[in-house]
Amino acid sequence: AQSVTQLDSHVSVSEGTPVLLRCNYSSSYSPSLFWYVQHPNKGLQLLLKYTSAATLVKGINGFEAEFKKSETSFHLTKPSAHMSDAAEYFCVVSGHRAGSYQLTFGKGTKLSVIP
Amino acid sequence: DAEITQSPRHKITETGRQVTLACHQTWNHNNMFWYRQDLGHGLRLIHYSYGVHDTNKGEVSDGYSVSRSNTEDLPLTLESAASSQTSVYFCASNAGQGYGYTFGSGTRLTVV
Repeated sequence: AQSVTQLDSHVSVSEGTPVLLRCNYSSSYSPSLFWYVQHPNKGLQLLLKYTSAATLVKGINGFEAEFKKSETSFHLTKPSAHMSDAAEYFCVVSGHRAGSYQLTFGKGTKLSVIP
Repeated sequence: DAEITQSPRHKITETGRQVTLACHQTWNHNNMFWYRQDLGHGLRLIHYSYGVHDTNKGEVSDGYSVSRSNTEDLPLTLESAASSQTSVYFCASNAGQGYGYTFGSGTRLTVV
């Protein structure tokens, strides 16, 4: 079984300040981990993914995430928030059990950016 | 370019009617998925398929069915629509372990 917990349902930051969106996961197998972003009334866009290579993963739009197995965490960060980053962010886990490709989503973190 | 398309984008239907939502992908992916998105719940898996003629139930499959007669399509059918099925539905596809997932643009379904 696998699960994802996004620790904050809503995060508010000022433009130009760092962003931290927290995610903890649980998986019985070596997981693949993803962050997706969803802008209002839009579909889901892949920000970045971890698939057992480098533990620090760089994504699009200046986002990055670090896989920490000991802490079962995969937090998303960005050094400086931009107004266009305001969106909902989903942390997602996919199990590596042979033949299992299902995604399990966290409940999302809504990021607000204050000008 | 390869893509995954959902239709219709918006649908209003009455309680008790049968509704089918279409999902078509040109990635040639074996794996296809249907999710529903509801406020406070994130996305939840409804059904999924790992290949032609393969279908499996997900977390919230009651009241839904799928069929996979070819690689490109995984239509989602609501046998008898209920107000609780008012939601935004997303289709996704994937090539296998370690690969990203591509999502369609979603179908907003309202059951009145």
